[in-house]
Amino acid sequence: GNSVTQMEGPVTLSEEAFLTINCTYTATGYPSLFWYVQYPGEGLQLLLKATKADDKGSNKGFEATYRKETTSFHLEKGSVQVSDSAVYFCALSSFQKLVFGTGTRLLVSP
Amino acid sequence: EAQVTQNPRYLITVTGKKLTVTCSQNMNHEYMSWYRQDPGLGLRQIYYSMNVEVTDKGDVPEGYKVSRKEKRNFPLILESPSPNQTSLYFCASNDRQMRPGELFFGEGSRLTVL
Repeated sequence: GNSVTQMEGPVTLSEEAFLTINCTYTATGYPSLFWYVQYPGEGLQLLLKATKADDKGSNKGFEATYRKETTSFHLEKGSVQVSDSAVYFCALSSFQKLVFGTGTRLLVSP
Repeated sequence: EAQVTQNPRYLITVTGKKLTVTCSQNMNHEYMSWYRQDPGLGLRQIYYSMNVEVTDKGDVPEGYKVSRKEKRNFPLILESPSPNQTSLYFCASNDRQMRPGELFFGEGSRLTVL
């Protein structure tokens, strides 16, 4: 079945460091791919998405590129801020639902 | 303001005592869904609804019921809660036609079953 694998966390960085959170997927067909973010005490929010191979999703300085050949959708940001501290979920669209990874917690210190 | 509202946000209950978690959205979305979030497991879909009176099971439906009598509301019912249903629950809605896969989530309901 369809599945998403994310790197284990937490990821701990200093402010202005470069961020990469790895995400790979297994799917039949060509699903859309998403990154959602969950700030403490809140629900998930869509961060970015890509709907086909080689698409790049971007938002708030975050980027991810849909790589069909490596079945990956890694999240990157050039310079993280303390306010980026949150849990990040990679997800793919499947029949009538999203399939989520287990989430990666990001902690950014000043 | 566009939102998905869940109630209660926090609940501690005992095994076997029926409870309902309400969910309401004000965006006129046809699609609504319930997920549970557990450490190390991410989010898993419990039930979903494509429209009024149309519901179907997700990946982990055991022990739960839902109903969709009105477009805006999608309550989650635990007829006889057990400790393994202790979890963080999220309701979500979506405009499937305009923005497939883009879920709007409520703030979550943390349930503890003793």
